Amino acid sequence: GAVVSQHPSRVICKSGTSVKIECRSLDFQATTMFWYRQFPKQSLMLMATSNEGSKATYEQGVEKDKFLINHASLTLSTLTVTSAHPEDSSFYICSARDRGQASYEQYFGPGTRLTVT
Amino acid sequence: AQKITQTQPGMFVQEKEAVTLDCTYDTSDPSYGLFWYKQPSSGEMIFLIYQGSYDQQNATEGRYSLNFQKARKSANLVISASQLGDSAMYFCALLNNAGNMLTFGGGTRLMVKP
Repeated sequence: GAVVSQHPSRVICKSGTSVKIECRSLDFQATTMFWYRQFPKQSLMLMATSNEGSKATYEQGVEKDKFLINHASLTLSTLTVTSAHPEDSSFYICSARDRGQASYEQYFGPGTRLTVT
Repeated sequence: AQKITQTQPGMFVQEKEAVTLDCTYDTSDPSYGLFWYKQPSSGEMIFLIYQGSYDQQNATEGRYSLNFQKARKSANLVISASQLGDSAMYFCALLNNAGNMLTFGGGTRLMVKP
């Protein structure tokens, strides 16, 4: 149980275009999902916290107009990178907390590797 | 503010030996949690072990154990009987009191030698 999927796993897009990444909790409901970014050979950095039915909370330094987050249902959150530039190329990972558990644990998706050319 | 530090960017260990990966943290929260994750080259984050700040005993999960020294603010991961498949990046992470922010350390790359 507690499986989180991400789609696509890998995407290449041209500079100036937008790309959407989906994060789904497959066998549990997630009121809270988290989006992280990981540059090569670096650690994960929290970008934003996504709560179902409300606006996302962005970490300092993350442009909310560039990284649009929508958490429309208890099993789906999306991250849209708008007007992508090469410096947005990174590994994006989502995680989710199980609404049905008082647990602290975050379940991670497999990640999406974005390359902007 | 939360801070978590992993001072070993890379470690080698001989297969079948034990290895300790260091992690120190700083937080002003009265209650918190500490995680260790493994990230193989494929990129997924694999949960290994968790320690709550008020847990009386050190956490263990199979070959993984967490050496939690609260006064020293350290939470080192011990892997016993290393296997070739243990070669990966390992991240220590600190969960805040509210349970809504997970801060990651810089990671340690472990390489197991046959």
